[in-house]
Amino acid sequence: SYELTQPPSVSVSPGQTASITCSGDKLGKKYSSWYQQKPGQSPILVIYQDTKRPSGISERFSGSNSGNTATLTISGTQAMDEADYYCQAWDSSTGVFGSGTKVTVL
Amino acid sequence: QVQLQESGPGLVKPSETLSLTCIVSGGSIRSSSYYWGWLRQPPGKGLEWIGYISYSGYTRYNPSLKSRVTISLDTSKNQFSLILTSVTAADTAVYYCARATPYCSGGNCYSGSHWFDPWGQGTLVTVSS
Repeated sequence: SYELTQPPSVSVSPGQTASITCSGDKLGKKYSSWYQQKPGQSPILVIYQDTKRPSGISERFSGSNSGNTATLTISGTQAMDEADYYCQAWDSSTGVFGSGTKVTVL
Repeated sequence: QVQLQESGPGLVKPSETLSLTCIVSGGSIRSSSYYWGWLRQPPGKGLEWIGYISYSGYTRYNPSLKSRVTISLDTSKNQFSLILTSVTAADTAVYYCARATPYCSGGNCYSGSHWFDPWGQGTLVTVSS
């Protein structure tokens, strides 16, 4: 079965840039999405179709996808960005999520 | 703006059937632009896609759950439902419903291209005797 691999954790200082990677076989040939989940809350969509940002999502969030790796980048990271982030893609019409990355703003 | 709300029992006995409903407000589940999905998250763990259904009743399920899952629509009540049979402790999770939007181009929409937005608040289902 298809797997998406994310680092368990990423630490970033306030105002700096956080990059979260998501790796999978030929992932660049699939569309990826990214979800932010804060403790006790439902996930919210922050990036879809690799690079698109839903209405209401800060411009600090951006995405890319090429080769075997999709990347979510948070620019000018703020304390409110501290959360778990999950990548998601489709393989043979089956939805697959990465294991999640905890972003800590130090 | 569309909102989703899950409802159903919070406790199910092992080997029995889990049944949840997602009530959709602010939009019609008969819209051809969207699908309607179920996902879950075991306590302290990551997200898992269960399946989705289209406005026309087309369904797609996670192969790991396919033999036990049924998703259906009730257009008269603007809601959709999840049934999971023969549950075990491994099915204990927060269950979410979500609207799924497919990528469409030139009048064609592509299976397996969806993103999930918005999500319901989630409901914890515990499988225990």
